[in-house]
Amino acid sequence: AQSVTQPDIHITVSEGASLELRCNYSYGATPYLFWYVQSPGQGLQLLLKYFSGDTLVQGIKGFEAEFKRSQSSFNLRKPSVHWSDAAEYFCAVVRSGSARQLTFGSGTQLTVLP
Amino acid sequence: GAGVSQSPRYKVAKRGQDVALRCDPISGHVSLFWYQQALGQGPEFLTYFQNEAQLDKSGLPSDRFFAERPEGSVSTLKIQRTQQEDSAVYLCASSLRQGNNQPQHFGDGTRLSIL
Repeated sequence: AQSVTQPDIHITVSEGASLELRCNYSYGATPYLFWYVQSPGQGLQLLLKYFSGDTLVQGIKGFEAEFKRSQSSFNLRKPSVHWSDAAEYFCAVVRSGSARQLTFGSGTQLTVLP
Repeated sequence: GAGVSQSPRYKVAKRGQDVALRCDPISGHVSLFWYQQALGQGPEFLTYFQNEAQLDKSGLPSDRFFAERPEGSVSTLKIQRTQQEDSAVYLCASSLRQGNNQPQHFGDGTRLSIL
């Protein structure tokens, strides 16, 4: 069965520090990969996506993610975190082929210290 | 509006009551999805529409859950004889085209509480 693993339930970083959120997927073929962010009481906002090509993708709000096929990973990074980045982050995949729905990881809650 | 609109934002119902949740997707978006998000979890897929056709309802947890999109625009998710385990945030998403590489745009969700 296809699954998405976000091993870190909660991460705390200081404002201005760098950030890396981990995501691993379990699927035979490379799926389409997404990162979403969710603020309290809000829906999900798309940060970035990977379909093919360059394995380093740039997103909104200064985020980037790197796809590593050998590790089945799609980790999210940001060089310098801002207090407004505090939120929950979800990695998600859509299988290639006929599937349309997103399969989400369980999320990583980010706390930013002043 | 410019985004996906869901109503109501909050719904409280007594166990056994029926509820209806509405989703108004972005205008012109072909695909519409419903997801269920339990507290502290990632969203889980419920059902998918392409225009008015419900192409996948494999995620609906029981026959108490029913979704429709009769004119290919607004969608309604109905839950009959609600139970406490139905308490969750119900998210609607839409995408412009039908491909599986299309980004999905989410509404703010309806928080359903069953007493």
